[in-house]
Amino acid sequence: AQSVTQLGSHVSVSEGALVLLRCNYSSSVPPYLFWYVQYPNQGLQLLLKYTSAATLVKGINGFEAEFKKSETSFHLTKPSAHMSDAAEYFCAVGGNSGGSNYKLTFGKGTLLTVNP
Amino acid sequence: DTGVSQNPRHKITKRGQNVTFRCDPISEHNRLYWYRQTLGQGPEFLTYFQNEAQLEKSRLLSDRFSAERPKGSFSTLEIQRTEQGDSAMYLCASSQRLAGGAETQYFGPGTRLLVL
Repeated sequence: AQSVTQLGSHVSVSEGALVLLRCNYSSSVPPYLFWYVQYPNQGLQLLLKYTSAATLVKGINGFEAEFKKSETSFHLTKPSAHMSDAAEYFCAVGGNSGGSNYKLTFGKGTLLTVNP
Repeated sequence: DTGVSQNPRHKITKRGQNVTFRCDPISEHNRLYWYRQTLGQGPEFLTYFQNEAQLEKSRLLSDRFSAERPKGSFSTLEIQRTEQGDSAMYLCASSQRLAGGAETQYFGPGTRLLVL
């Protein structure tokens, strides 16, 4: 079974400050890992994904995440927060069926607030 | 690429009534997923299709729930005899199966169900 733990249900930062959202995973097979963002009353938008090609993954809107196998972590960072980054962020681990990821297991999410 | 669409966006119903939701995936995608998201939680996997075949159903999907994907195109999710505990956001996602790769699931805006 796979699982995801997101540390901190709510993170608050000032505009221009570093954003760090934490994600730890559990998986019995090499994982595929994803970060999605959800704005109010909308579906989920993919920020980035880890596919084992490179441990540092760059995504959209200036976000990046680093896969650390020894720590079973995939933390999301952005050097400088913008007001438009305020949203809920979900980390997810992909299943593994025949090498492709099919269903996703999500963490509970982290609500990011950006203060002016 | 017009994205994944879901209808209706909102549904209010009385306990005991039946409801049906529709999902139209991205046209070239052969996989379609249903997830349920309750307040303060991440999405939880319900079921998925590859083309018209329903390949897995979660234990969350009681016998009151049924999903179909006729002809491998759009999908419907029906809930019979709704209960208040069914109140949630129902998310649909689609993807193109990649052999040995981390396919990206694209999410629709969701259908928010409220059972009174």
